[in-house]
Amino acid sequence: DSGVTQTPKHLITATGQRVTLRCSPRSGDLSVYWYQQSLDQGLQFLIQYYNGEERAKGNILERFSAQQFPDLHSELNLSSLELGDSALYFCASSVVGSYDEQFFGPGTRLTVL
Amino acid sequence: DQQVKQNSPSLSVQEGRISILNCDYTNSMFDYFLWYKKYPAEGPTFLISISSIKDKNEDGRFTVFLNKSAKHLSLHIVPSQPGDSAVYFCAASGLTGTASKLTFGTGTRLQVTL
Repeated sequence: DSGVTQTPKHLITATGQRVTLRCSPRSGDLSVYWYQQSLDQGLQFLIQYYNGEERAKGNILERFSAQQFPDLHSELNLSSLELGDSALYFCASSVVGSYDEQFFGPGTRLTVL
Repeated sequence: DQQVKQNSPSLSVQEGRISILNCDYTNSMFDYFLWYKKYPAEGPTFLISISSIKDKNEDGRFTVFLNKSAKHLSLHIVPSQPGDSAVYFCAASGLTGTASKLTFGTGTRLQVTL
């Protein structure tokens, strides 16, 4: 158990819908990261928040957005969902940022039908 | 543009022998490297890391070697155990301060046989 929790574990929805994925970091970690793992793309970095502020951005689609709240939990919002958004979404956390190990949650499996 | 490459999708090793997993990178700005292990239906688990100022880091049965001139790193597992069977990801980071992002390879599936 990494100490990072993600809800829900599974999510099935339809194209065009909007979903919210939630992540609680390890106690004491200030940084939260979101990654997407799809079958043909491997693990892709989406975005990082540090203490409530965006710090690094990857190839995150404009339809996707994230935020980190004062209690340090984070949410990833996915809207206008397409079939290709079906993937595993992982949240990770670390104490600060660079040169810190990132600890991953168990992931949320999103299926878009 | 795959900046971190794991060219062997799978590897089979006998229990007790050495497992060597390889990783190549292209971005010379990467200065911190990590190995993660992943079981099915679980998130990646951190194994070991190495900074670019070192060429070797050891933790128990796991040793990571970094060859900066060749832009190559490897993970050695000695001795290999059946519980080591998993997918291993190499990851690299090049940001500084409070910013961080990991660029992952596509993974190598290790099977340790009895």
